[in-house]
Amino acid sequence: AQSVTQLGSHVSVSEGALVLLRCNYSSSVPPYLFWYVQYPNQGLQLLLKYTTGATLVKGINGFEAEFKKSETSFHLTKPSAHMSDAAEYFCAVKGREYGNKLVFGAGTILRVKS
Amino acid sequence: DTGVSQDPRHKITKRGQNVTFRCDPISEHNRLYWYRQTLGQGPEFLTYFQNEAQLEKSRLLSDRFSAERPKGSFSTLEIQRTEQGDSAMYLCASSLVASGTSPYEQYFGPGTRLTVT
Repeated sequence: AQSVTQLGSHVSVSEGALVLLRCNYSSSVPPYLFWYVQYPNQGLQLLLKYTTGATLVKGINGFEAEFKKSETSFHLTKPSAHMSDAAEYFCAVKGREYGNKLVFGAGTILRVKS
Repeated sequence: DTGVSQDPRHKITKRGQNVTFRCDPISEHNRLYWYRQTLGQGPEFLTYFQNEAQLEKSRLLSDRFSAERPKGSFSTLEIQRTEQGDSAMYLCASSLVASGTSPYEQYFGPGTRLTVT
């Protein structure tokens, strides 16, 4: 069963437009949730994480995500896209069902048009 | 803080050859993870160490794959008798698990891209 689903393998937005990258997870117990960004030929950089507490999480580079338990979602948003945001974004979960490892979605490539 | 480093960054090898990759974690980190990432996919877990003990291995880690972390610092991942299906990016990550710290964050290295011809 797919643990993490990222809707849309490619998303294209204009510079200055809203960025919305979708992530849904399947778990009987709310897991810890992460968004990572990967630039070409580089490793993964943590953007933000949700563990407990406030469900709206702010991260680096102006990104934020909201954990919605009822929707089993953790969508990533940014109010205004910048050219430098063009990269691949991965949603990941970690929790009791998965042990100590991260389980990643397939990724969404974000393209920013000038 | 030098971050997680991996060597080599790129490796091209012929099918049937053995290859070995090295990962140096962040110096005080006691957990070290290996992941594999193929084109168009997210990273998939291979194995992880707590200090020198290998605590979990994925079924993806066939008998041709072996990982070690002999002194609880750097780690090596060896692939024997490489196959074309082994072509991928191999990512290493580390984390610190200790009282008072967040055990959730894994810090990734730049990866080793393996091409098997």
